[in-house]
Amino acid sequence: GQQVMQIPQYQHVQEGEDFTTYCNSSTTLSNIQWYKQRPGGHPVFLIQLVKSGEVKKQKRLTFQFGEAKKNSSLHITATQTTDVGTYFCAGLDNYGQNFVFGPGTRLSVLP
Amino acid sequence: NAGVTQTPKFRVLKTGQSMTLLCAQDMNHEYMYWYRQDPGMGLRLIHYSVGEGTTAKGEVPDGYNVSRLKKQNFLLGLESAAPSQTSVYFCASTPTGLLGGYTFGSGTRLTVV
Repeated sequence: GQQVMQIPQYQHVQEGEDFTTYCNSSTTLSNIQWYKQRPGGHPVFLIQLVKSGEVKKQKRLTFQFGEAKKNSSLHITATQTTDVGTYFCAGLDNYGQNFVFGPGTRLSVLP
Repeated sequence: NAGVTQTPKFRVLKTGQSMTLLCAQDMNHEYMYWYRQDPGMGLRLIHYSVGEGTTAKGEVPDGYNVSRLKKQNFLLGLESAAPSQTSVYFCASTPTGLLGGYTFGSGTRLTVV
């Protein structure tokens, strides 16, 4: 079945540094979503990417969908302590009915 | 707006006991989902529903049953709880299932001893 992987599993950064997490799928995706989960909280939807090579920005967050639609990335510029949490990608392949979540990347930001 | 509401928030069960987790949404969403979250394993789909009166199995359905008698409610039942079912359970909903982000509830932390 479809598998979605994320790297790194953990990332510790100093406040102000940049951060990137990568999402890779074993199959071609029709679209991909990104979520953020604060410690002790629930996942919150951030964005959805549909087109090959698509790039979307939300303030300091940049999301990219690979040309082959098998990978995606989330880049945070100049991290802040409010960015702390786990970032999940979720991919939907061309045959699936439901999104498959990756294991997440846990981000710690040291002040 | 309440969004997606899960009850209870915490529960401790003894092995073999049964319980029902309730999920209610007030957004008139068609699709509803039950996930479990375990450390290092992300979110795994247990069961889902694409509309009132429908249910379907997800990735890890064994040991769970669900019902969607009303559009706004999605119930998750554990018939005979096992320690392996200790987890955080999240309910989610979405308007159409494929082109909208999921709205998650705040979760139920279940411990089976």
